[in-house]
Amino acid sequence: DGGITQSPKYLFRKEGQNVTLSCEQNLNHDAMYWYRQDPGQGLRLIYYSQIVNDFQKGDIAEGYSVSREKKESFPLTVTSAQKNPTAFYLCASSPTTGREKLFFGSGTQLSVL
Amino acid sequence: SQKIEQNSEALNIQEGKTATLTCNYTNYSPAYLQWYRQDPGRGPVFLLLIRENEKEKRKERLKVTFDTTLKQSLFHITASQPADSATYLCALDPGNTGKLIFGQGTTLQVKP
Repeated sequence: DGGITQSPKYLFRKEGQNVTLSCEQNLNHDAMYWYRQDPGQGLRLIYYSQIVNDFQKGDIAEGYSVSREKKESFPLTVTSAQKNPTAFYLCASSPTTGREKLFFGSGTQLSVL
Repeated sequence: SQKIEQNSEALNIQEGKTATLTCNYTNYSPAYLQWYRQDPGRGPVFLLLIRENEKEKRKERLKVTFDTTLKQSLFHITASQPADSATYLCALDPGNTGKLIFGQGTTLQVKP
């Protein structure tokens, strides 16, 4: 089955710890995205990548980092600099950027211990 | 400031009725607008895309309108069913760059 796989479903972070959220897609899509969702709020864009080895900051990139070494993979690292990391993180992909619908993964809930 | 707004209050309707959800935006001139459905603890699922030169678009029991003068999109679900209960998100691409921004979503509850 084609789709986007996010793991883990639930993740807990200790103070001062970096954690990495996985996102893998087998849709052969060029563009990939990371969004953050807080309760009662819309999705906010963290980072996006239009092509392998290239990525751009979204609206709330501070405290996060990404890499795009392979077309299929776009991991997100939540660093210790992100002081309020508790949120639902969503990865998405689209064939290209612009005028395309997004395909979302099932999300990762990150909580702070 | 630029923003996109949906009614944050939940919409409760009776099964069989038509649900109408509103998406308003300011200071944008988007070329298209999208609607997604999100169930609790899951990722959004794409429903419909409407372009600026389209007044209305339909898909089965769903209908979307797009008024670029009013800067508003309406999303209708006719003959609503309890299975339609979910949060519905609108999204637009301000600069036509593929960077979608989302409204906060409206939760629809359809009662049997």
